[in-house]
Amino acid sequence: EVQLVESGGGLVQPGGSLRLSCEASGFTFSSRDYWMHWVRQAPGKGLVWVSRINNDGTITTYADSVKGRFTISRDNAKNTVDLQMNSLRDEDTAVYYCARAPFSYYYDSSGYGISGYFDYWGQGTLVTVSS
Amino acid sequence: QSALTQPASVSGSPGQSITISCTGTSSDVGGYKYVSWYQQHPGKVPKLVIYDVSNRPSGVSNRFSGSKSGNTASLTISGLQAEDEADYYCSSYTTSSNMVFGGGTKLTVL
Repeated sequence: EVQLVESGGGLVQPGGSLRLSCEASGFTFSSRDYWMHWVRQAPGKGLVWVSRINNDGTITTYADSVKGRFTISRDNAKNTVDLQMNSLRDEDTAVYYCARAPFSYYYDSSGYGISGYFDYWGQGTLVTVSS
Repeated sequence: QSALTQPASVSGSPGQSITISCTGTSSDVGGYKYVSWYQQHPGKVPKLVIYDVSNRPSGVSNRFSGSKSGNTASLTISGLQAEDEADYYCSSYTTSSNMVFGGGTKLTVL
């Protein structure tokens, strides 16, 4: 059974940092078949895509709203994908979900692999940015 | 990347069919077959109900179907049931090599 378990959320002041982690089990985490993503949802609001990483960590992409502040990484030995969040703002307050995305084995015009949907989601971890 | 456009709410009676639209541009919905739909009940985790425009994951009721025409994708739920009441989100791959979600649609079963 595929399981994704997030941790690391909490209360942080504006300008502060936080590191989220997602531990995966039930599938071959390092397989080329899967990319890993982070998606967030502010209280009472909709889903917003944040970042993604390919199976070996060599390719990462970010939403414009977090580019330069957030860094996604993975440790295939530990089956974990992390999200380092720096320079946090009030608007980063949200539940952060880790999600698995099957690789389509197609590439876009920029040469990036396409993982077009999220088949498994974690339970989420709440990040609150407030003074 | 702007969010895809969905109606804020739709409603229907049990047994009826409803359709939720998801409008984007040629840089996302219109440019790829990678449109997916998610169901989210209050306080719960999103659940995939349609992927690659019209494919249904194993275990999802065949009452759920998806389609696309130009820059607009659609999710249709037939034979509405009380358990279908939830928020629904569309998502698409984009030419920015990212993903984008719609703003979400609240489905009320009357």
